[in-house]
Amino acid sequence: EIVLTQSPATLSLSPGERATLSCRASQSVSYYLAWYQQKPGQAPRLLIYDVSKRATGVPARFSGGGSRTDFTLTINSLEPEDFAVYYCQQRSNWPPVSFGGGTKVEIK
Amino acid sequence: QITLKESGPTLVKPTQTLTLTCSFSGFSLSTNGVNVGWIRQPPGKALEWLAHIYWDNDTRYNSSLKSRLTITKDTSKNHVVLTMTNLDTVDTGTYFCAHSPGVLAPFQSWGQGILVTVSS
Repeated sequence: EIVLTQSPATLSLSPGERATLSCRASQSVSYYLAWYQQKPGQAPRLLIYDVSKRATGVPARFSGGGSRTDFTLTINSLEPEDFAVYYCQQRSNWPPVSFGGGTKVEIK
Repeated sequence: QITLKESGPTLVKPTQTLTLTCSFSGFSLSTNGVNVGWIRQPPGKALEWLAHIYWDNDTRYNSSLKSRLTITKDTSKNHVVLTMTNLDTVDTGTYFCAHSPGVLAPFQSWGQGILVTVSS
């Protein structure tokens, strides 16, 4: 079973700074790795899929990278609306879906 | 435009069975590759995948919850139903359904979620 571990649990940054979030898989997930943003009281929103492709309407300051077991989400120049919780997610044959534990990006 | 909406009871007693319905529009669950999943989130905690149903009626379940879950679809009504038996207080949380356009594709669209509280 593929387990995703996100780090850090919390990232304290100021607007305008760069955020780098990590997601490590217990085994290779090929390129079926996605990132979601979730704000309080809302459903998750797809940001990045297939490791590095931005979903429709996602600003260019969001970028994804990595391969096999190590992946990153980078947010260049944080905007006030970017402070939220971010989850990585993999799709595979088994389990079909798993999520990481999340990284909270909070205002310093 | 794809929309999904969860419905069902918001308060359930321990040991009871929970039945949630995901009503959707903007896609067909008979289209090759399309699938719908259920995901839950305890208050203040991370997302947890529960179950999946595919266009060909194949189903997958979270192995730790498999004995308690059943997922079905009614293509003609554009519904997906999740049943969870023998509820406990730890099952309290927000339950989401979400659409994926392909077997290995991410969840592109989500419902707003429904908060289910398990309490006597």
